[in-house]
Amino acid sequence: GAGVSQTPSNKVTEKGKYVELRCDPISGHTALYWYRQSLGQGPEFLIYFQGTGAADDSGLPNDRFFAVRPEGSVSTLKIQRTERGDSAVYLCASSLTGSTSNTGELFFGEGSRLTVL
Amino acid sequence: AQTVTQSQPEMSVQEAETVTLSCTYDTSESDYYLFWYKQPPSRQMILVIRQEAYKQQNATENRFSVNFQKAAKSFSLKISDSQLGDAAMYFCAYRSDNAGNMLTFGGGTRLMVKP
Repeated sequence: GAGVSQTPSNKVTEKGKYVELRCDPISGHTALYWYRQSLGQGPEFLIYFQGTGAADDSGLPNDRFFAVRPEGSVSTLKIQRTERGDSAVYLCASSLTGSTSNTGELFFGEGSRLTVL
Repeated sequence: AQTVTQSQPEMSVQEAETVTLSCTYDTSESDYYLFWYKQPPSRQMILVIRQEAYKQQNATENRFSVNFQKAAKSFSLKISDSQLGDAAMYFCAYRSDNAGNMLTFGGGTRLMVKP
């Protein structure tokens, strides 16, 4: 696609429910990132995929959070037993490569706003 | 671990005037990249400008320029001839030279532009 696409744009759920957030990166981008942005704060790193594998998942806050990227393109962030503190905007970004070269510019989607009641 | 600090929660500028947004960071690394991102109400983070730490020359992109002071670990953004469309949240971000493309963001500065 032309840009990074994230669905749903907004999600309201009840405490304890399971949610899935989807990210469709720019075609051909091998690296994919998930960030969480709480209200009034900067984005915080969650997980980074290089191809199908999670190269770094050190930012996932606990075992209720899990992400997959089975075919090296679309990624799904899964949150089990949601808590009110999970309410945030979840941003996805992709880059052509995961290398540290200057060409590894990140392109962000518009995020999914999750509200847990 | 690296940290990025933006000490100005909000800034205001008159249209056509110049404004400077501050950013400081803490790192023990010598090679890294610094970025300024703009986040409008659409929530999409848009890259404004980037600086490689090994370059002494300050980066410039049209009306946007940076003042990079490596020894002081300071990376400010100057916006010249401010336009109404510049109103947004601005985030300073750090990227290590050896940690993929993962970014560490500051807390952001809300820029308001008065007509």
